[in-house]
Order: sequence, then C-alpha cells, then structure tokens
Amino acid sequence: DIQMTQSPSLLSASVGDRVTLSCKASQNIYKYLNWYQQKLGEAPKLLIYYTNSLQTGIPSRFSGSGSGTDYTLTISSLQPEDVATYFCQQYNSWPTFGGGTKLELK
Amino acid sequence: QVQLKESGPGLVQPSQTLSLTCTVSGFSLTSYNVHWVRQPTGKGLEWMGVIWTGGSTDYNSALKSRLSISRDTSKSQVFLKMNSLQTEDIATYYCASELPGTGYFDYWGQGVMVTVSS
Repeated sequence: DIQMTQSPSLLSASVGDRVTLSCKASQNIYKYLNWYQQKLGEAPKLLIYYTNSLQTGIPSRFSGSGSGTDYTLTISSLQPEDVATYFCQQYNSWPTFGGGTKLELK
Repeated sequence: QVQLKESGPGLVQPSQTLSLTCTVSGFSLTSYNVHWVRQPTGKGLEWMGVIWTGGSTDYNSALKSRLSISRDTSKSQVFLKMNSLQTEDIATYYCASELPGTGYFDYWGQGVMVTVSS
C-alpha cells in the first residue's frame, strides 16, 4: 500500500493568512492526488482532484500543486469557514488517505 | 441531484455481522462506482472497497476476508456486509460515488456511526 503522510497535523493561522498544507506519498503517485475538506460532524467534501483541478463550486482561494511524492494544498487567504480537517488521498493504486491536517484559527 | 444515504444498525455485538445499505439517487449504479470508506472517531479515513459499474468488486486487502459489497440496481442500493466485528471496527461508515476513471469521490453520504458492544 502507498502510505500518505500529512504535515503538520495541527495548524493555527489567522484570517487572511496564506496557508500551506503538505502531503507526502511513500512512492511516486504521478499526480493522482485529491484533497478533501471535512468540517466537524460532516462528511468529507472534494476540493481538488488530480493535484491541481478545482472541483466545481470550490472557492478559488484553494489551490493544489505538486508532483512525484510531494504535494501541497494552499489557501491564499484564510477565511473563518475554512476551519476544518483536510485530507489528501492518492489513487495511483488502491485509494489511501493521509492522516489529516486540522486547521484552526489563531 | 446526486445523493447517497447510509442506513443500518448503529450497534453491533462483538463477533457479529455488520450490514449497511447505501441508497443512491440522482444517478444509476451502472454509471457510477460506489465505494465504502470508514473513519474511527477523531481519526483518518480508510478505504474499504468498491463495487464497479459492471457489478464486480474490489476490497482493501486488510478487510478482504471479512468484507462483502453487493448491489441491487433496481432499488439503487449498495450493500456492505462485514463479519466478525470487533471494537476496532467502531467508526463512521460512508458510501461515496466515483465517476469511472476519475479516482476521486465526488459525492458522499452523511455517514452512519457504528458501535461494537455487547
């Protein structure tokens, strides 16, 4: 199985900050990487697919990048409604998820 | 619009079998793959398995011996059965849809919380 490692596990930031979340795969996943946002008590919600494609309806302050084993999710200007846990997921082989980054307001 | 909804008992006795149903609307099971994903409280997500549009299935190797996924296309329902439940199976169980070949889960059910206890 491909292991996905997210860092940091907890991130505190202020409204308006540029925020970067990291996801590292145990082997090359050829950009087959998706990002999900999960708010407390809710199901995950797809934000970005295939590394950098924004899902319909997702604000443009969210963006993704990366290649090989290293990927990032960036929020250009943090909003209060972005408080959530973010998960990456690879699909180069059977799907596996990272452990998540919990994003909170400072 | 696309919707998925999980249903099933919230409490299962140790060593017994979990049976969940995912009822979908807004799409056909012959057009979308349906996956099961679970999440222990406060922890990460674990992919469990998938039923493909053609009706075949694949499973997480860690669960394969205990897990079965099936469907009834006429009722737009997908079924999960997992036997020999233990406390480590306590989690919220989600079904999620995938447009074939995309690799991402674009719609999710609300989830159903399952506890294992006597």
